[in-house]
Amino acid sequence: DAMVIQNPRYQVTQFGKPVTLSCSQTLNHNVMYWYQQKSSQAPKLLFHYYDKDFNNEADTPDNFQSRRPNTSFCFLDIRSPGLGDAAMYLCATSRVNSPLHFGNGTRLTVT
Amino acid sequence: TQLLEQSPQFLSIQEGENLTVYCNSSSVFSSLQWYRQEPGEGPVLLVTVVTGGEVKKLKRLTFQFGDARKDSSLHITAAQPGDTGLYLCAGAFSGSARQLTFGSGTQLTVLP
Repeated sequence: DAMVIQNPRYQVTQFGKPVTLSCSQTLNHNVMYWYQQKSSQAPKLLFHYYDKDFNNEADTPDNFQSRRPNTSFCFLDIRSPGLGDAAMYLCATSRVNSPLHFGNGTRLTVT
Repeated sequence: TQLLEQSPQFLSIQEGENLTVYCNSSSVFSSLQWYRQEPGEGPVLLVTVVTGGEVKKLKRLTFQFGDARKDSSLHITAAQPGDTGLYLCAGAFSGSARQLTFGSGTQLTVLP
């Protein structure tokens, strides 16, 4: 059974049109992460939550926001998607100092 | 600056061949993880190595952590088409929820 679930698997949005990607987990892990991954490259960390504490990477554009309303759910909001934001977005969870459990990602296309 | 360098970046081999992927850094890690990612899916953890000099085996895959905990290698014996994927090493610093620094990745293709 999937333990980190991302919806939708594929998302198409228009240039400049806000989009929200969602992630849920059944592992009760206290840390949740959002990564951006472009073709055959390593995942790039955008931000993470340690419980309710939000931690933004220094080079994450302001265009990207996140919400974590409770332990199980985390959302990635892209306020004004550009063509360069087309990528696979991966959600992951973990306990502190433990390996990551990834979802299967949401492939975002910007037209 | 890439903290963790992986080599080679791309590797295409025939079924049955052996291969080694390297992961190198100037930083000392508390542990190092290897993930494999298949197309359209998220990375999946293969192994975690913690102790300098540690060797772990997972069927045809052999993982080694360097004595100084700055580098690691993944050796695959008699590669199969099912081994095709993106292999990622990731170094962890203890006490940090941010945890992982990913390597640049090695895209492996095993041809039948």
